[in-house]
Amino acid sequence: NAGVMQNPRHLVRRRGQEARLRCSPMKGHSHVYWYRQLPEEGLKFMVYLQKENIIDESGMPKERFSAEFPKEGPSILRIQQVVRGDSAAYFCASSRGSWEETQYFGPGTRLLVL
Amino acid sequence: SQQGEEDPQALSIQEGENATMNCSYKTSINNLQWYRQNSGRGLVHLILIRSNEREKHSGRLRVTLDTSKKSSSLLITASRAADTASYFCATDPMDSNYQLIWGAGTKLIIKP
Repeated sequence: NAGVMQNPRHLVRRRGQEARLRCSPMKGHSHVYWYRQLPEEGLKFMVYLQKENIIDESGMPKERFSAEFPKEGPSILRIQQVVRGDSAAYFCASSRGSWEETQYFGPGTRLLVL
Repeated sequence: SQQGEEDPQALSIQEGENATMNCSYKTSINNLQWYRQNSGRGLVHLILIRSNEREKHSGRLRVTLDTSKKSSSLLITASRAADTASYFCATDPMDSNYQLIWGAGTKLIIKP
């Protein structure tokens, strides 16, 4: 049973470009969470999604960031018009059931904005 | 996927007692972090300890790091019911591929 998959593992973008980060949850998991980690800081929650629904996006910046988890395919975290401050590691986690259940984390995507 | 080892897997103690959780890891690290996951909440970052530090305190939390043994411990003193949660350690390895390596977690239950 494969774990949570994230791709790409590393992503380099120039300021103003778009970044798309993908997360495939573990088999049987229908809940996905995105976290951001700035260098030398802990993880910060961004958004919690179930299939086709955003449950909690309280940690997501209001502008330029969006997330989706379609019926088919991976969850996508999209950052439009990236700025240098978006450089960070972005982690995805999935769980089988609700928010309370154990979350399993992917390896992360490291975004570098030049 | 989660790697690293934490023990115990589960810990149940009386309110007011101290709780100690351990974490071991395999590679050289830049830092080690402890997180808490409460029911109904996401991960909460507790403490980050760098590889050149041996001990760090934050309120009722005390973290130690022994790089020679590749291990860390988290001590919660004077436990409260609100401390009931799962606790995870995560390491930031020194090699070039930055990612967090996570332990499996310790489930802590504080009995009133």
